Parts: sequence; C-alpha cells; structure tokens
Amino acid sequence: GAVVSQHPSRVICKSGTSVKIECRSLDFQATTMFWYRQFPKKSLMLMATSNEGSKATYEQGVEKDKFLINHASLTLSTLTVTSAHPEDSSFYICSAAVSTDTQYFGPGTRLTVL
Amino acid sequence: GQQLNQSPQSMFIQEGEDVSMNCTSSSIFNTWLWYKQDPGEGPVLLIALYKAGELTSNGRLTAQFGITRKDSFLNISASIPSDVGIYFCAGQHPGNEKLTFGTGTRLTIIP
Repeated sequence: GAVVSQHPSRVICKSGTSVKIECRSLDFQATTMFWYRQFPKKSLMLMATSNEGSKATYEQGVEKDKFLINHASLTLSTLTVTSAHPEDSSFYICSAAVSTDTQYFGPGTRLTVL
Repeated sequence: GQQLNQSPQSMFIQEGEDVSMNCTSSSIFNTWLWYKQDPGEGPVLLIALYKAGELTSNGRLTAQFGITRKDSFLNISASIPSDVGIYFCAGQHPGNEKLTFGTGTRLTIIP
C-alpha cells in the first residue's frame, strides 16, 4: 500500500516552455501533497504544500507564479513549471500524506531545460 | 530553507561493517524519520520514531529518538551491497505536517 506515482519520470524541454508534472496517490486518498526540489548531491527542499481544493502554500523564496500547483482531487496534484529556464533543471519529487501522518514519496521527475 | 545537520557527509566502508550516522537540530521535533534514497529515485521510509528515547529496529537497522528531542541516530549492522545509497533524516514539528530534511549521508561499500 501507500504507493505514489509521478509522471513523467524524465522530461527535456526548451527554455521558455512550460512543463507539467503529475503526482498521484494510487491506493489511498491524500489530504495533503507536498512538492520538493532536489539539486544534484543536495537534500530535498520543500517548495510548497498542497491541500485538495485549496490554494497551495509556498515556501519562502519559491515563486508561486512560476511553479503552479493544482490539487484537484484527493489523488492528484500537478506542478507546472512555467517559462522554464536552465536553472530550473532539477529533480522534482512529490509526496502524499493523510493529514499529518507519514509522507509517502513518489519516484521523482528529472527535468532538464535546454 | 532550514536543514538538519547530518553526519558524516559520506562513508566508505567494507561489506559486513557496521554503520552509524546521526542528525542534530537546534529545535525540537516530535517525530524523527529516516529515509534511504537510491540514485534517480524518491526517498523510501526506513524507520519512524515518535517518542523521545524511543529505540526502534527494522531488520539490520536501528534508530533512536534522542532524549532532548533534538537529535537522532541510525545504525546499520553487517552492511550489504544493497545498503549503498543516500540516507536522510527528517524531522517533523508538533502539529506541523511539513518535514525538514537533513543534509544526507552517502554510503559507499568498497569491494
């Protein structure tokens, strides 16, 4: 149980384009989903917390207009990187949780912006 | 954002050796978690600790929640090749769903 999937697993895009990443909880309903970014050889840094049906809460320094988060259902959250630039290249990981319980992580999405 | 201090940063050991790593914080947490991350994958939960002083085992892994609630350690006994990876601690504040991650410990097993 407690499986979280992400799609796509890898994406390469041109600078200036937008990329959408999906995060799904496959066998449970997640009241909260989290989005993290991880640069090479670094730790996970929380970008935003997303609750179903409400606006995401962004961490300090994360641009909400650049990283659009939609949490339309209890099993799906999406992260859209708008007007991507090379510095946005990173490993994006989502997690899903029921309330304040254990977070279950997705397998991550490797974004490369050319 | 805040990160927890995790040490050592990296470890090079031989198969069969025991491993110990720890995590410290300047603030109190009510939950400590230990994750393992393989290259190109998301973190996988190894052990969760919910009470100060708690000592919990999961197979060859043992973790403890420090009495002060500001630290935790993870031990791996008799390491095997599949233990290779990056280990992260994570702390959760009381009543807060967010996790704060440690800086990670990269474990390499020398043939």
